[in-house]
Amino acid sequence: EVQLVESGGGLVKPGGSLRLSCAASGFTFDIYNMNWVRQAPGKGLEWVSYISSGGTYIYYADSLKGRFTISRDNANNSLYLQINTLRAEDTAVYYCAREYCSSTSCYSAFDYWGQGTLVTVSS
Amino acid sequence: QLVLTQSPSASASLGASVKLTCTLSSGHSSYAIAWHQQQPGKGPRYLMKVNSDGSHNKGDGIPDRFSGSSSGAERHLTISSLQSEDEADYYCQAWGTGIRVFGGGTKLTVL
Repeated sequence: EVQLVESGGGLVKPGGSLRLSCAASGFTFDIYNMNWVRQAPGKGLEWVSYISSGGTYIYYADSLKGRFTISRDNANNSLYLQINTLRAEDTAVYYCAREYCSSTSCYSAFDYWGQGTLVTVSS
Repeated sequence: QLVLTQSPSASASLGASVKLTCTLSSGHSSYAIAWHQQQPGKGPRYLMKVNSDGSHNKGDGIPDRFSGSSSGAERHLTISSLQSEDEADYYCQAWGTGIRVFGGGTKLTVL
């Protein structure tokens, strides 16, 4: 069974930093491209960042470049998101999501999601 | 610029059918999209990918009541025999080199 389990969220003061983790299981992690997506309270889904299976290619949403760093550890089946200089508007549930890949084709639909971890930025 | 447009809300009666629409921005009418369902208080769940020719590839365990179709720049999600648990937010998602995009979501109310 494919599982993605996020952790590392919590209450942080403005200007602080946080490192989110996503533990993957039930599939061969190192052949899948991965993403972070966030959802502010009562709002829609917002794509944050992408990392290719081997970590070579990394992309960020234009509005978020500079404070966010995505990384992965394929040996430990883990995905990470480092967020620096946190702001109130970063308050959201953060999800990790896997991109589809089979033996015959791969495409960037998010086919599995974690349950999310809540980040609250407040003084 | 790749942008996805969805109506904010939709409603239909229990047992009826409903068709949700996601519209791709100009110049992107050949793009495939994915549909995701988010029930209240839960994380999103992948429903299917819908191609420009209307073919679709469903995710694991998605009931036959859910289907996809296309017309020009529009990508549709049709839910038949509506059940109470179908009341949820539905998001479309597209992708390009270096970018992933979501529509604003449609809140479906089952009457």
